[in-house]
Amino acid sequence: AQKITQTQPGMFVQEKEAVTLDCTYDTSDPSYGLFWYKQPSSGEMIFLIYQGSYDQQNATEGRYSLNFQKARKSANLVISASQLGDSAMYFCAMRVTGTSYGKLTFGQGTILTVHP
Amino acid sequence: DTAVSQTPKYLVTQMGNDKSIKCEQNLGHDTMYWYKQDSKKFLKIMFSYNNKELIINETVPNRFSPKSPDKAHLNLHINSLELGDSAVYFCASSQGQGLETQYFGPGTRLLVL
Repeated sequence: AQKITQTQPGMFVQEKEAVTLDCTYDTSDPSYGLFWYKQPSSGEMIFLIYQGSYDQQNATEGRYSLNFQKARKSANLVISASQLGDSAMYFCAMRVTGTSYGKLTFGQGTILTVHP
Repeated sequence: DTAVSQTPKYLVTQMGNDKSIKCEQNLGHDTMYWYKQDSKKFLKIMFSYNNKELIINETVPNRFSPKSPDKAHLNLHINSLELGDSAVYFCASSQGQGLETQYFGPGTRLLVL
């Protein structure tokens, strides 16, 4: 079975600073994908970034980057130059191939608050 | 040009009623999902359909019945609603059942009184 753990219930960051949101995962499947989603207070789920288990380089998407450490089974999200609009709940999630048929397993989420 | 849409956005109903939530995607994806987000914000898969065929049924009470009339639509019908069914229900879609990104609809907030 797959498991995602986000140990930070809440994080605070000053505007324009960088912040790291932690995510650790557990799976015995060698082929998997790690995803980060943002859920603002309006409720929608917004896809941010993806990292495949066989990708050699860390994924980046604009101000978002994923610090992928395979041996430690961690996939931390780094947001650079935080903006007030980054205040939201952030979910780490994982998909594996095989009999899971692609379902996403989510972590508990981290609430990020950006202070002006 | 909404990618994944759901109706209604809000649903308030009495215990024991039957209700449906509709989902449509215009991304050309062949796999669709229903997720439930509980009051603690935890998200869990309920169902998955691939090309109109049910492939995941994650120990959901049989009061919940999904239906996929075509690969662009996945509806969720709930019979005999209970207080514990109050949650946000998200539809999502992806191209395939592998590691492709899933894109979510805006969610339907269901409140059972």
